[in-house]
Amino acid sequence: KNEVEQSPQNLTAQEGEFITINCSYSVGISALHWLQQHPGGGIVSLFMLSSGKKKHGRLIATINIQEKHSSLHITASHPRDSAVYICAVYMDSNYQLIWGAGTKLIIKP
Amino acid sequence: DTGVSQDPRHKITKRGQNVTFRCDPISEHNRLYWYRQTLGQGPEFLTYFQNEAQLEKSRLLSDRFSAERPKGSFSTLEIQRTEQGDSAMYLCASSLDSGIGELFFGEGSRLTVL
Repeated sequence: KNEVEQSPQNLTAQEGEFITINCSYSVGISALHWLQQHPGGGIVSLFMLSSGKKKHGRLIATINIQEKHSSLHITASHPRDSAVYICAVYMDSNYQLIWGAGTKLIIKP
Repeated sequence: DTGVSQDPRHKITKRGQNVTFRCDPISEHNRLYWYRQTLGQGPEFLTYFQNEAQLEKSRLLSDRFSAERPKGSFSTLEIQRTEQGDSAMYLCASSLDSGIGELFFGEGSRLTVL
């Protein structure tokens, strides 16, 4: 079993839909990253959080430390949101990141 | 541009040749990471520097791989005697030395070994 599990692996939605991507982890963590990678592109950090909720534009990230679960939400989705969204956690014991496999999101116009 | 920059962006080489990638982190960032990413997979940790010290190296990294950060600024990743299995995107990231620092990634260097 992977230490960081993301769901779904693939998600296709229509423009305007509310999107939720989930991340569950099994290790003790110091913080959790949500990152975005466009096809052939570099990786961009969206959020880093260790508790509660953060919002940036149409993106919202939440984390529940007790349940070891985080979600990334996209409101009013747009085709330019199409990308791979990756959850990565910083382990308690060191500064290494453990990466989820990513969720490939396609937003159709 | 004050982001993380990597060079070259794409390298095509023949099996057995040596290649070197360079990463220039954000100037005030003490920490520098190298990752490798193959198609459809998440990034795989290779090594990590704090200033000029290489603090951690993945066991997945064979002896053909070496990384340096001689002055605590830019870093190089060298792969000797390349193999086809080395074909991947090599990503560099940097962060501030303040506990858990947010990572900033470069665009990556894509290696194709023929």
